[in-house]
Amino acid sequence: EVQLLESGGDLVQPGGSLRLSCAASGFTFSRYAMSWVRQAPGKGLEWVSVITSSEDNTHYADSVKGRFTVSRDNSKNILYLQMNSLRAEDTAIYYCAKNRYGGDVVIEFDYWGQGILVTVSS
Amino acid sequence: DIQMTQSPSSVSASVGDRVTITCRASQGIADWLAWYQQKPGKAPKLLIHTASTLHSGVPLRFSGSRSGTDFTLTISSLQPEDSATYYCQQANNLPYTFGQGTKLEIK
Repeated sequence: EVQLLESGGDLVQPGGSLRLSCAASGFTFSRYAMSWVRQAPGKGLEWVSVITSSEDNTHYADSVKGRFTVSRDNSKNILYLQMNSLRAEDTAIYYCAKNRYGGDVVIEFDYWGQGILVTVSS
Repeated sequence: DIQMTQSPSSVSASVGDRVTITCRASQGIADWLAWYQQKPGKAPKLLIHTASTLHSGVPLRFSGSRSGTDFTLTISSLQPEDSATYYCQQANNLPYTFGQGTKLEIK
């Protein structure tokens, strides 16, 4: 059974930093691209970032580019999202999501974690 | 960016009804479209990928189709557990954009 478990969410002040983690199990983690998707309170879904299976490619939404960094440890089956220079508009539930493929040409999310709340407020 | 426009934004239907939700892409995306179901307080779940392929374990009353840049999610016979918000997502152009969602309520 595929399981994705996010951690690291917290209340942080504007301008602060946070690192999210996503522990994966139930599939061969190193074979699949992984993404972060977020959902602001009461709003729709927004793709944030993707990293390919072999870590050779990463992509970001314009809203987070230059502030967020996605990485992965295929030896530990963990996905990370380093978030710097946080803004109030980054407040959201952050989901890690497994992609159906290893590359970044087609990104469809076949399994999702339960989500973790990040609140940016003074 | 490719814009994904869903309609309607909300729909109310009775158990047993046939329900259709539409998603229009602002440019061609071939069959690279996925549909997700999200219930309140829960993570989204994949229903359909590649426009019309049912994800593993998804009931057969769900189906997807494509005509040009218009995509349709159909629930053939609505069940009480189908009450949720449904999102489409284009899957092959950065950034990977979602529709705004369609809230489906059971009368």
